[in-house]
Amino acid sequence: GQQLNQSPQSMFIQEGEDVSMNCTSSSIFNTWLWYKQDPGEGPVLLIALYKAGELTSNGRLTAQFGITRKDSFLNISASIPSDVGIYFCAGNGGATNKLIFGTGTLLAVQP
Amino acid sequence: NAGVTQTPKFQVLKTGQSMTLQCAQDMNHEYMSWYRQDPGMGLRLIHYSVGAGITDQGEVPNGYNVSRSTTEDFPLRLLSAAPSQTSVYFCASSYSLAINNEQFFGPGTRLTVL
Repeated sequence: GQQLNQSPQSMFIQEGEDVSMNCTSSSIFNTWLWYKQDPGEGPVLLIALYKAGELTSNGRLTAQFGITRKDSFLNISASIPSDVGIYFCAGNGGATNKLIFGTGTLLAVQP
Repeated sequence: NAGVTQTPKFQVLKTGQSMTLQCAQDMNHEYMSWYRQDPGMGLRLIHYSVGAGITDQGEVPNGYNVSRSTTEDFPLRLLSAAPSQTSVYFCASSYSLAINNEQFFGPGTRLTVL
């Protein structure tokens, strides 16, 4: 099945550093979503993007919907230990809520 | 609201056994779905439902059955478990099938098939 290419696979950073991760698709998407998954929990929506070129922030998180509609990135500024988890991008190329997920980026933050 | 609840949290099965993973939501959401999560694979859609009495297949439906007799419940059945079905299963729901409706995920069921 179709999957999104998400990179990097993992990141190990120091508290206070900025983080950037991205997702690319071979096909055009109408929606890009970014989720965070804490250990033993289900994914929780962080940011939703619905328009090409859209730049949206949620606290220290900023995400952009690529102008080509085939990519998106998520930035986390001034990371803190509670940012630890797996971050997933998800996209939708149709008119419904059926999502395609990326493979995830594991983020570890050392205090 | 309890949101999306899933039971059991953990399950170990032998090959060939059957079982039902339970999912319930108390948000009056029309759209419900089941995903499986495997290492390095992200989440993949198994089955989904756009309302009571209506279900459809997702990306990886083989080996799984679903039904939607009520708005609240969306159980996932494994008729004859196989080791390849060892995974973490997530149920999700949203208000509608419309593209801009946030999906809420349950805490997951961790299934091991021996």
